Amino acid sequence: DSGVTQTPKHLITATGQRVTLRCSPRSGDLSVYWYQQSLDQGLQFLIQYYNGEERAKGNILERFSAQQFPDLHSELNLSSLELGDSALYFCASSGSGGGSEQFFGPGTRLTVL
Amino acid sequence: SQQGEEDPQALSIQEGENATMNCSYKTSINNLQWYRQNSGRGLVHLILIRSNEREKHSGRLRVTLDTSKKSSSLLITASRAADTASYFCATYNDYKLSFGAGTTVTVRA
Repeated sequence: DSGVTQTPKHLITATGQRVTLRCSPRSGDLSVYWYQQSLDQGLQFLIQYYNGEERAKGNILERFSAQQFPDLHSELNLSSLELGDSALYFCASSGSGGGSEQFFGPGTRLTVL
Repeated sequence: SQQGEEDPQALSIQEGENATMNCSYKTSINNLQWYRQNSGRGLVHLILIRSNEREKHSGRLRVTLDTSKKSSSLLITASRAADTASYFCATYNDYKLSFGAGTTVTVRA
């Protein structure tokens, strides 16, 4: 158990819908990272927050957004969903602003029908 | 876009044998990390090697880094059935961790 929790574990929704994925980092970790894993794209970095502020951005679509709250939990919002958004979404956390080992949550499997 | 490329894509070995996988990357890095993933579950950090290090050990794991060739290798010695998993290298630079496509390792009993 990494200490990172993600909810929900599974999510099935329809195209055009909007969903919110939630992540609680390990106790004391200030950085939260979001990744998308799919068969065709592999594991892609989406975005990082450090102590409430956006730190780095990767291949995140404009339809996706994230935020980190004062209690350090984070949410990833996916809107106008398309079939291609079906994937595993991972949250990870680390104690530093970046560069150290990351602790991954169990993931949320999103299926868009 | 993926920074690293692992080789081979898949590896099948007998329990007790060693497993070696390689990773090549394209741009400069601050460090390189290896992670393991069991069948669609969360990734687990194995080892981190900084750009000024050449070799690092952790238990049955040995990692090398050659920045002049932009490549790294992960050696797992005396493999066990529990080592069956996908292994990913990830390069860290500019606040971003970029993962390769992974090597799937199957350890046969």
